[in-house]
Amino acid sequence: DAGVIQSPRHEVTEMGQEVTLRCKPISGHDYLFWYRQTMMRGLELLIYFNNNVPIDDSGMPEDRFSAKMPNASFSTLKIQPSEPRDSAVYFCASSLTGGRTEAFFGQGTRLTVV
Amino acid sequence: SQQGEEDPQALSIQEGENATMNCSYKTSINNLQWYRQNSGRGLVHLILIRSNEREKHSGRLRVTLDTSKKSSSLLITASRAADTASYFCATVPLLSYKYIFGTGTRLKVLA
Repeated sequence: DAGVIQSPRHEVTEMGQEVTLRCKPISGHDYLFWYRQTMMRGLELLIYFNNNVPIDDSGMPEDRFSAKMPNASFSTLKIQPSEPRDSAVYFCASSLTGGRTEAFFGQGTRLTVV
Repeated sequence: SQQGEEDPQALSIQEGENATMNCSYKTSINNLQWYRQNSGRGLVHLILIRSNEREKHSGRLRVTLDTSKKSSSLLITASRAADTASYFCATVPLLSYKYIFGTGTRLKVLA
């Protein structure tokens, strides 16, 4: 397996634009997580899914953020409209049994909103 | 915030020395995990210790867990320049399946 695949690796967009980040988890993993990493706030859990169903979205900062998992092999994180304070590295991770086993992280998407 | 705290925030040592970093957390846990992050990369899992375990070893890594103090430590023995990275602890709260990451320790090993 190629691991968790995220796209794009880098995204630069203007304030107010819609941004969509994509993630392909490892095949067979039932859990998918979205994290945001900044120097100021560290690694924040935004949302996680189990069997494509959102379980905990309490970390989603505001209504501008939304996440979907239409099937077991694909998830998206959308920001609309984007703001400069959304600039961060966004990571997707997947695991077999959630926190009971290890998480495998993608390489991340570095988002810059200007 | 549920986020754990790690100390030190940064650590600089000579190659061959041991590196110790600590993690404190706030809630009861199912397990605690340590991850490594090289600059510009995703996190990589190092080791998992369950709440009923006190110590675990993996190669040059030694992890301890004290649930009464809600703290853990990661020891890297005989460090190498290639160990230079950020190290994060992640707690999995009881009755939950999510990973809560600490603030991280930036380790620099000088050759």
